[in-house]
Amino acid sequence: EVVLTQSPATLALSPGERATLSCRASQSVSSYLAWYQQKRGQAPRLLIYDASNRATGIPDRFSGSGSGTDFTLTISTLEPEDFAVYYCQQRSDWPPMYTFGQGTKLEIK
Amino acid sequence: QVQLQESGPGLVRPSQTLSLTCTVSAASIGSGTYYWNWIRQPAGKGLEWMGRVHTSGITRYNPSLKSRVTISADTSKNQFSLKLNSVTAADTAVYFCARGDQMFTWLDPWGQGILVTVSS
Repeated sequence: EVVLTQSPATLALSPGERATLSCRASQSVSSYLAWYQQKRGQAPRLLIYDASNRATGIPDRFSGSGSGTDFTLTISTLEPEDFAVYYCQQRSDWPPMYTFGQGTKLEIK
Repeated sequence: QVQLQESGPGLVRPSQTLSLTCTVSAASIGSGTYYWNWIRQPAGKGLEWMGRVHTSGITRYNPSLKSRVTISADTSKNQFSLKLNSVTAADTAVYFCARGDQMFTWLDPWGQGILVTVSS
């Protein structure tokens, strides 16, 4: 079973700064990596799929990169509404299922 | 746009069966294009995928829950459902439904979630 490790657990930045979030897989997951944003009291929202493709309606300040075991979500210029928890997710080949990282909390500095 | 909405009891007694329904609007689950998923999140914790159903009847479950969970679809009502039996306090969580692709690569959109508390 593949394990996803996100770092850091908490990231404190100011609006206008650049955020870089990491997700590392315990074994290669090719490019099948998605990122979600979850605000307090809300459902997760898909941001990025297949490592680097933005979902419909997602602003271009969000970008994803990586392949194999190391992936990055970058928010180029933080807006006040971007402070939330971010999860990465990958597909497990066997058993076939979705697996999530433990999350990175992006908080206002 | 496609919307999903969870419904069901907010309180379930220990050892009983948790039953939830997800109603899909602006899309037909019977089209067969997508898979319909349940995910849960205990308070302050991360996300756990529980399982999914396709309207062909194919289901997949998280092995950690497989013996207790059943997911089914009703195309006539455009709904799919979750049953989790023998619940304990550890099953207290917000339960989300979501649409997913065949290859387990994304989930979108999600329902708003429903809090289910297991308590006597």
